[in-house]
Parts: sequence; structure tokens; C-alpha cells
Amino acid sequence: QVQLVESGGGVVQPGRSLRLSCAASGFTFRSYGMHWVRQAPGKGLDWVAVISYNGDTEYFAESVRGRLTISRDNSKNTLYLQMNTLRIEDTAVYYCGKCRGNDCYSIDYWGQGTLVTVSS
Amino acid sequence: QSVLTQPPSVSAPPGQKVTISCSGSSSNIGNNYVSWYQQLPGTAPKLLIYDNNNRPSGIPDRFSGSKSGTSATLGITGLQTGDEADYYCCTWDSSLNAGVFGGGTKLTVL
Repeated sequence: QVQLVESGGGVVQPGRSLRLSCAASGFTFRSYGMHWVRQAPGKGLDWVAVISYNGDTEYFAESVRGRLTISRDNSKNTLYLQMNTLRIEDTAVYYCGKCRGNDCYSIDYWGQGTLVTVSS
Repeated sequence: QSVLTQPPSVSAPPGQKVTISCSGSSSNIGNNYVSWYQQLPGTAPKLLIYDNNNRPSGIPDRFSGSKSGTSATLGITGLQTGDEADYYCCTWDSSLNAGVFGGGTKLTVL
């Protein structure tokens, strides 16, 4: 069965960095694009970034472009989100998600999320 | 302010039908596939509808999706108390080159 397990969340001061990981199992990780989606406390879903199956193509939400980077290690079945110059408004639960198909229009499996709190 | 517009809340009695709208533009819904997600309290989102009107295996046919022009609609029939959740539409925006979610709709079954 497909499993996505995020880790790396925690409390961090504004301006600092954090790296999130998403360990994937139960499917051929190297064959699927992957998303990061976040949800601020009490708010709606906010799309963050997507990476192609081979890591060649990435897209980012305007709000995080230049500060967050997405990457993957297909040999380790792991997706990453490097978060730099963190802001208060980056506080959220961060979910990783598997693209349902080659076009990545939808996310068919989600992790349980990891909480990032940016606070001084 | 979300690129996709959903009503903040809808409600209906058990057994009835409800629809949730999602309004966008030609750069997003008008030219890309729409998906819908259900998020029960305290849990991760779950895919309900993909590619405008397709249900993943295991999703009951009480849930349906449709798209017309720059709007999409999620329909739920035979409402159950277990359907109480937040529902989100999602698509790609070709102008932003980014994924976009609607603001979410809270469904109350009363």
C-alpha cells in the first residue's frame, strides 16, 4: 500500500532554514511526480511546489519562489523541501502528495503532514 | 484571496443532495483538469474526483464532478453525517505556472 511519511518539522526562528523529508513506499517512486501542499492553522489548502518524476522540472507558488526548493532522491525514495529565509506566514502543516498520473493534475495519496512553526 | 472561488459553507439534511461550486478563469479551470478533495477534521485531504469527473476506486458514486467553461461543481447525493468535512477544488493555472486550490467549503449535514 502507498505510504508517504513526512518528517523534519519543528519550531524555527524567522529567517532560519529547515528541510522537510517525505519517505515514500508502496509504489515506484521514480515514476511519479510529487507535490508539496501546506495548510496554515485553521486555514485552507495552499499549493507549494511540484517536481517531475526525474527531478528535471519544478514549479513553485509565487509566495515561496526563491526561498523554497524541492528536490528528490529516487535512489532513496525520498522527496525533500528545503525551506530558507522562513517567515511567520510559512507556519503550516506541510503535506507531501503523489501525482495520480503523468500530468500531475491531481494528488491521489497524501502523507499525514508535518508541522512547521516559525516563531521568535 | 484564492484564485478559485468556492462558497465558504453549504448545508443540507441527511439523505439530500448538495452541490459545491468552484469558479475560476480561462487560465485555470477553463483549460485544465479539476480535482476535488475531502478533508475530514484533523486528517489529511483525500482525493474524491480527478480529471473533472472521474472517481478513484473506493469513492462511492454518491460523489460526482462536472465542469463547464470556467466553473466546476462537486455533487454529493444521499448525504450522511460522515460527509461533514471541508471540500476543496484544485487545478493548474497556466498563467501562474502553479497549482491552485479553492478556499474550501465546509459542508454541514444537519
